[in-house]
Amino acid sequence: AQKITQTQPGMFVQEKEAVTLDCTYDTSDPSYGLFWYKQPSSGEMIFLIYQGSYDQQNATEGRYSLNFQKARKSANLVISASQLGDSAMYFCAMREVRYNTDKLIFGTGTRLQVFP
Amino acid sequence: EAGVTQFPSHSVIEKGQTVTLRCDPISGHDNLYWYRRVMGKEIKFLLHFVKESKQDESGMPNNRFLAERTGGTYSTLKVQPAELEDSGVYFCASSRQARSYEQYFGPGTRLTVT
Repeated sequence: AQKITQTQPGMFVQEKEAVTLDCTYDTSDPSYGLFWYKQPSSGEMIFLIYQGSYDQQNATEGRYSLNFQKARKSANLVISASQLGDSAMYFCAMREVRYNTDKLIFGTGTRLQVFP
Repeated sequence: EAGVTQFPSHSVIEKGQTVTLRCDPISGHDNLYWYRRVMGKEIKFLLHFVKESKQDESGMPNNRFLAERTGGTYSTLKVQPAELEDSGVYFCASSRQARSYEQYFGPGTRLTVT
């Protein structure tokens, strides 16, 4: 069964510094997609970045980049130049696609706190 | 373009009562998903609609949960009767196409059963 593991329940980072949020995954599917979502205190889930298993390059979106290491089955999120507004819960997720299903499998999340 | 909306934002009910959560997907999105997060655990899939049909309801915890999507537009998730372990945040998401790589999430409904 597919599984996402986020081992960091909480992380602290100083403003303007970079931070890496860890995510490892387990799947036997040759084709899969990995996602990161941000959940601020207001509650909505905000899509940040996507990495396909066959993508040759690591995904980047502004200050977000995904450090994709396929052999290690890891998909860490790197946030550069942290801002106070980055304080939130961050969830790593994987798509599970079968003939009759299309759903996201989530990790337990990492709470990031950015301090001045 | 309006995003996914959910109502209510927060509901507090007593054990044994009934609650109905509503989700309005983004207009034109045929695919609608329900997820929930229970007390510090991971967000778990509940079910997936394609238009008005249930594509996958493998994540529904038991028969106290009933989801509908009349006319392929908004969806409701009813919990009857509610139990303490049903407390959590219920998220709805939608996507335009099946297997689209992005699901747009709503703000969630926080359900508290006392």
